[in-house]
Amino acid sequence: SQTIHQWPATLVQPVGSPLSLECTVEGTSNPNLYWYRQAAGRGLQLLFYSVGIGQISSEVPQNLSASRPQDRQFILSSKKLLLSDSGFYLCAWSKGYETQYFGPGTRLLVL
Amino acid sequence: GQSLEQPSEVTAVEGAIVQINCTYQTSGFYGLSWYQQHDGGAPTFLSYNALDGLEETGRFSSFLSRSDSYGYLLLQELQMKDSASYFCAAYNQGGKLIFGQGTELSVKP
Repeated sequence: SQTIHQWPATLVQPVGSPLSLECTVEGTSNPNLYWYRQAAGRGLQLLFYSVGIGQISSEVPQNLSASRPQDRQFILSSKKLLLSDSGFYLCAWSKGYETQYFGPGTRLLVL
Repeated sequence: GQSLEQPSEVTAVEGAIVQINCTYQTSGFYGLSWYQQHDGGAPTFLSYNALDGLEETGRFSSFLSRSDSYGYLLLQELQMKDSASYFCAAYNQGGKLIFGQGTELSVKP
């Protein structure tokens, strides 16, 4: 069966510090991978998606970036965090364009 | 633009039936998904409708009408554990999921 992991689970970072969130998927190959952000009490905003190694599409211009160095690894990064980057970051995978399965998420608080 | 509209909150009692509506406006529409999210947790997949009609999975059913750009999630025999946020999400061209803002369901005893 397939599983998706994210770490860390919780992160508190000062404004201006760098960020690296990691997501890995097990039990499948060549998945589509996604990064979402969810503000409190809100829906999910798609940040990046990838259909293959090194292929990244950005949905929202911001100070975040994503990379896919391996088939089942997706990384979300920032060089300098802003207060507005606080939120719940969710990674998801899918095969094809139907069901997306979400990881447990990372709660980021920027102070 | 692309958007989905759903009620912000719904309250119902245990054992009752509740329907959460979703209207969508999106280009290249492929299908409508529903996700459940408990407080502090990640969204979990409930159902997916690519064709018009009703899909039933246990106590949950989902309906889609492409001509009306409308769908709903029906929850029967409500239980306290069904208290959660429910999101409709539309798949569009390119395989992107566009999420609604979510409906917070409160189940009362």
